[in-house]
Amino acid sequence: DTEVTQTPKHLVMGMTNKKSLKCEQHMGHRAMYWYKQKAKKPPELMFVYSYEKLSINESVPSRFSPECPNSSLLNLHLHALQPEDSALYLCASSLGQGNTDTQYFGPGTRLTVL
Amino acid sequence: KNQVEQSPQSLIILEGKNCTLQCNYTVSPFSNLRWYKQDTGRGPVSLTIMTFSENTKSNGRYTATLDADTKQSSLHITASQLSDSASYICVVSPRDDKIIFGKGTRLHILP
Repeated sequence: DTEVTQTPKHLVMGMTNKKSLKCEQHMGHRAMYWYKQKAKKPPELMFVYSYEKLSINESVPSRFSPECPNSSLLNLHLHALQPEDSALYLCASSLGQGNTDTQYFGPGTRLTVL
Repeated sequence: KNQVEQSPQSLIILEGKNCTLQCNYTVSPFSNLRWYKQDTGRGPVSLTIMTFSENTKSNGRYTATLDADTKQSSLHITASQLSDSASYICVVSPRDDKIIFGKGTRLHILP
């Protein structure tokens, strides 16, 4: 299995809703990432998990809450989001957190906040 | 300041033609450079990766070059196909810092 999967593909939510994005990989990768990508912009790093521990939080608002239940799964819990949070949310994984390791991206979740 | 600049911002070519995309960077110390292809609304897919000592890397009709002295890279696409329509992102990894994404080149292939 050489892919990163993300669910759901699309999500529409109101500002008072609570939802979660899910990411899964079975490549034995020990680093997992969440990125946010607005239209026609490059991905922006949000969080990095290394060996199931949060290693980087790029000053992301607390309405985004990551969780890594095990080495294959990465969740992003969403609560009280704003319309400007609408974007493509990408999950990625790599063998390790080192910069020599290629990051493999999932297909993304298209999030719309009403 | 570590930066990655890509040109052109967008490019339109006819199916079957070749094209070359450019990436200039000011990242130092340099670890490696990757080219990704991203279809609209999808995640980026890695095409090539090159370290300091590598000058060229091919992946099918995609050929990437790297000049570490001038800090320039190019991605050449041969005999373009409609499925090549996508954004191509240059990603540079410093040795001791997080990776840096270029803004991408949006390529449109017309039949």
